[in-house]
Amino acid sequence: QVQLVESGGGLVKPGGSLRLSCAASGFIFSDYYMSWIRQAPGKGLEYISYISSSSSHTNYADSVKGRFTMSRDNAKNALYLQMNSLRVEDTAVYYCARGSHPHVDWGQGTLVTVSS
Amino acid sequence: ENVLTQSPGTLSLSPGERATLSCRASQSVSSSYLAWYQQKPGQAPRLLIYGASSRATGIPDRFSGSGSGTDFTLTISRLEPEDFAVYYCQQYGSSPYTFGQGTKLEIK
Repeated sequence: QVQLVESGGGLVKPGGSLRLSCAASGFIFSDYYMSWIRQAPGKGLEYISYISSSSSHTNYADSVKGRFTMSRDNAKNALYLQMNSLRVEDTAVYYCARGSHPHVDWGQGTLVTVSS
Repeated sequence: ENVLTQSPGTLSLSPGERATLSCRASQSVSSSYLAWYQQKPGQAPRLLIYGASSRATGIPDRFSGSGSGTDFTLTISRLEPEDFAVYYCQQYGSSPYTFGQGTKLEIK
């Protein structure tokens, strides 16, 4: 069965950086677009970014463009989200998801807290 | 940006009743690229409906989606206890792929 396991979350100060990872299994990872979606505490869902199966194309929400970079390693079945210049409003649970049109399967998420 | 507005914000119903959830877009959703997700407390969202009306794998047929253009509906024909949750719509026809703010379906 499809498994997506996020890791790398934690507490970081404003202006800091963090790298999230998502380990995928149970499907042919290199065949699928992948996405990141986040959810601030007690709030709704916010689309962050997607990456094509071959990494040739990425797309970002305006709220993270220029600060976040999504990448993948198909040999390792791994997805990444490099987050720089973090702000307090980036505090959220970050989910990786299989697919971008739409998001078919979701991991359980990793919490990122940006606070001084 | 295509803004999605869901109504009502909260819907109070009893098991066995019919639920109708609405999602209205500020711009036409191209190719009916509209999805519905269910989220229970402490869990990740689950895809229910894609392409406005196609059920995802394993989703019971009491869930149905309809609509086109700017107006979409998720209908749950007969509510089961496990259906009480928050429901989100999302358009993935134009970037950025926006979500609605959610409808909380609670037990009356």
